[in-house]
Amino acid sequence: KNEVEQSPQNLTAQEGEFITINCSYSVGISALHWLQQHPGGGIVSLFMLSSGKKKHGRLIATINIQEKHSSLHITASHPRDSAVYICAVRLDYGGSQGNLIFGKGTKLSVKP
Amino acid sequence: GAGVSQSPSNKVTEKGKDVELRCDPISGHTALYWYRQSLGQGLEFLIYFQGNSAPDKSGLPSDRFSAERTGGSVSTLTIQRTQQEDSAVYLCASRRDKGLPLHFGNGTRLTVT
Repeated sequence: KNEVEQSPQNLTAQEGEFITINCSYSVGISALHWLQQHPGGGIVSLFMLSSGKKKHGRLIATINIQEKHSSLHITASHPRDSAVYICAVRLDYGGSQGNLIFGKGTKLSVKP
Repeated sequence: GAGVSQSPSNKVTEKGKDVELRCDPISGHTALYWYRQSLGQGLEFLIYFQGNSAPDKSGLPSDRFSAERTGGSVSTLTIQRTQQEDSAVYLCASRRDKGLPLHFGNGTRLTVT
């Protein structure tokens, strides 16, 4: 079983729709990242969360530490939001700063 | 620009040859990370640098892989005696300090023929 599970794997939406991408994890974490990978391969860090909720423009990320779950929401979706969205967690034990564990990503296509 | 720069952007090499991949992090970023994304797979951690030292090399898949960082800046990932399974996009990321967001480069697409 993967330690980080994302759902759905693929998502097609119409422009303007509200979108939710989910991430569940099974380990103790110190932080969770949401990343956006563009069709050309470039990766942008959207959010880093350790609790609560963050908002940036039309993007909102929430995390529930007790339930080991995070969601990424996109309001008023647009075709330019089409990308792969990746959830990654940093483990919560004394050692590694480097060892992010990645979900397999959610491929989002927003149709005009 | 001020982003993380990786070179080359594409590299095709013959099986058995050595390759060097370069990462120029954002100036002032003390932490530097190498990741790998194989075709159809998720991202995989390789190695982490804090300054010039590598406290976490746990992701390097074999002793053919090595990396160094000099002057707290540029890092080089070296793959010796490349194999076809090394074909992947190699991504570098940096950040200024713990708790701050990662900034990714555009990656080097390595193809081993």
